Amino acid sequence: KQEVTQIPAALSVPEGENLVLNCSFTDSAIYNLQWFRQDPGKGLTSLLLIQSSQREQTSGRLNASLDKSSGRSTLYIAASQPGDSATYLCAVEEAGNMLTFGGGTRLMVKP
Amino acid sequence: EADIYQTPRYLVIGTGKKITLECSQTMGHDKMYWYQQDPGMELHLIHYSYGVNSTEKGDLSSESTVSRIRTEHFPLTLESARPSHTSQYLCASSGPPTGGYYNEQFFGPGTRLTVL
Repeated sequence: KQEVTQIPAALSVPEGENLVLNCSFTDSAIYNLQWFRQDPGKGLTSLLLIQSSQREQTSGRLNASLDKSSGRSTLYIAASQPGDSATYLCAVEEAGNMLTFGGGTRLMVKP
Repeated sequence: EADIYQTPRYLVIGTGKKITLECSQTMGHDKMYWYQQDPGMELHLIHYSYGVNSTEKGDLSSESTVSRIRTEHFPLTLESARPSHTSQYLCASSGPPTGGYYNEQFFGPGTRLTVL
């Protein structure tokens, strides 16, 4: 059974820092990996989706990489801002279009 | 921009009541999903549908039921609510891309349910 782990569980950084969030998964037979952002009490906003054949995706200050063979993905946030404060979730898609989620990283960016 | 809606956003209800959580999407997506998320915890899939008249149970056992009579509508029903049902319920959909990836899931804002 697929297991997705996110490290660290929580992170507090001063504004302007570059930071890396980590996601690992146990079964490399995935179709894609998706990074989401969740604000408190809200739904999920899709940030980036990396297909299994891709190595990375970029959107603005966000860059996500995928190493399928080693079961790892990283989300890089450049020049962090207080508005980036949220929980970041990674999820892997397997056969049947099912997503398995990690526990998330709670990010706080202090002004 | 994803167009997926959930109502109500918040619901406080007494034990034993029947409730229906609504989810609608206007993207013509064939696949729809319901997830349950307790505060600070992971999301778990409780129901999914691949299209009209198709419903399946997810990884997490749930006493709720779902129906898919129309493509755009995927309601979740609890026949008799209990305090253990207190949680956040998130609806999602995916399908043929409109500028995105086929299987990218788009989420609604969620319904926060409290059963007293």
